[in-house]
Amino acid sequence: DIQMTQSPSSLSASVGDRVTITCRASQSISSYLNWYQQKPGNAPKLLIYAASSLQGGVPSRFSGSGSGTDFTLTISSLQPEDFATYYCQQSYSMSWTFGQGTKVEIK
Amino acid sequence: QVQLQESGPGLVKPSETLSLTCTVSGGSISSYYWSWIRQPPGKGLEWIGNIYYSGSTNYNPSLKSRVTISVDTSKNQFSLKLSSVTAADTAVYYCARETPAAGTLHYYYGMDVWGQGTTVTVSS
Repeated sequence: DIQMTQSPSSLSASVGDRVTITCRASQSISSYLNWYQQKPGNAPKLLIYAASSLQGGVPSRFSGSGSGTDFTLTISSLQPEDFATYYCQQSYSMSWTFGQGTKVEIK
Repeated sequence: QVQLQESGPGLVKPSETLSLTCTVSGGSISSYYWSWIRQPPGKGLEWIGNIYYSGSTNYNPSLKSRVTISVDTSKNQFSLKLSSVTAADTAVYYCARETPAAGTLHYYYGMDVWGQGTTVTVSS
């Protein structure tokens, strides 16, 4: 199995801040990396696929980068509706695995 | 637009088999992979497995011995069976559609449509 490790596990930020979340794969996964947002009581929502492609309808303040083993999700200017938990997921090997999640909280 | 709805018992006894169905509405089950994912209370996401509309399956190795996923294209449904459940299988269970996009090595798959989730508790 490919292991996915996110950092940090949680962070506190203010509205307007630039936020960066990191995801590392245990082996190279090229650009086969997705990012999801999950709010309490709701199903996850796909934000980014193929490491850097924005899913339709997702605000442009979200961006993804990286290739190989190291990836980043960036929120350029944090908005109140962005406080949530974010998960990365590899789609390289069809035994999909998720990172443990990063909770973004209000400072 | 496509919507997914999970259904099945909310309470299952230990050692019994958990059975859930996901009904796809607003679109066809054909030409996609369909996944089951679960989330124990207060924890992260765990992929259980998926099925192509033609019936080919992939499973999480840690659950493979207990999981069966099947599809019924005539009903636009796919199903999950998890045998010999314990309290550790208590979770919210989600179904999701995997949409492909052209990639360099193979297709990129992202889970772009999700059901609302159904809570399954394992308890006597």
